[in-house]
Amino acid sequence: QTVVTQEPSFSVSPGGTVTLTCGLSSGSVSTSYYPSWYQQTPGQAPRTLIYSTNTRSSGVPDRFSGSILGKKAALTITGAQADDESDYYCVLYMGSGTWVFGGGTRVTVL
Amino acid sequence: EVQLVESGGGLVQPGGSLRLSCAASGFTFSPYRMTWVRQAPGKGLEWVANIKQDGSEKNYVDSVKGRFTISRDNAENSLYLQMNSLRAEDTAVYYCARAVSGYYFGNWGQGTLVTVSS
Repeated sequence: QTVVTQEPSFSVSPGGTVTLTCGLSSGSVSTSYYPSWYQQTPGQAPRTLIYSTNTRSSGVPDRFSGSILGKKAALTITGAQADDESDYYCVLYMGSGTWVFGGGTRVTVL
Repeated sequence: EVQLVESGGGLVQPGGSLRLSCAASGFTFSPYRMTWVRQAPGKGLEWVANIKQDGSEKNYVDSVKGRFTISRDNAENSLYLQMNSLRAEDTAVYYCARAVSGYYFGNWGQGTLVTVSS
């Protein structure tokens, strides 16, 4: 059973930088998993932020960036703003038309 | 503008069935894999099922295999999820999503709530 791991929560100051990570219970995340990131606020549908590791979706501010850091995929928010306060989910493509989501990270901006 | 509109959710008893629909517009439906993702109340997102462009390949999360069936009608630009033998743990908002480039979810619907309870 593949488990995708994310930090449960993070707090960041306005204008600050935070890096969220997305790992595997066993093994390393690479670009071959096509990691993507989604932002969700309560009661709303997810919004696509980053796909294929580091490509920003249309309309996503450049303060959001994706990368591979060590053995994990990462989402960095540089210059956090109040409306970045959301839940963030990564998902990994496991091949053969299947995906696994991480448990999500709740980001608080204060 | 890409639009995905889910419908068919509601309250159903354990062991019952429900069929969800997702109407797509604003893009050519047939070239894209389509996916169902769900979110239980207060929980995270969970990938549920995916269907290839021509419907020839279908994949499911283990917890719904044998109970749920994903299908599509390219002529009607519609995606479906037939859910049988429903359990309390299937209670969730169900989202349909367009899989872009085969690897990520580029567009999402607003979701439809399924509640399994007696």
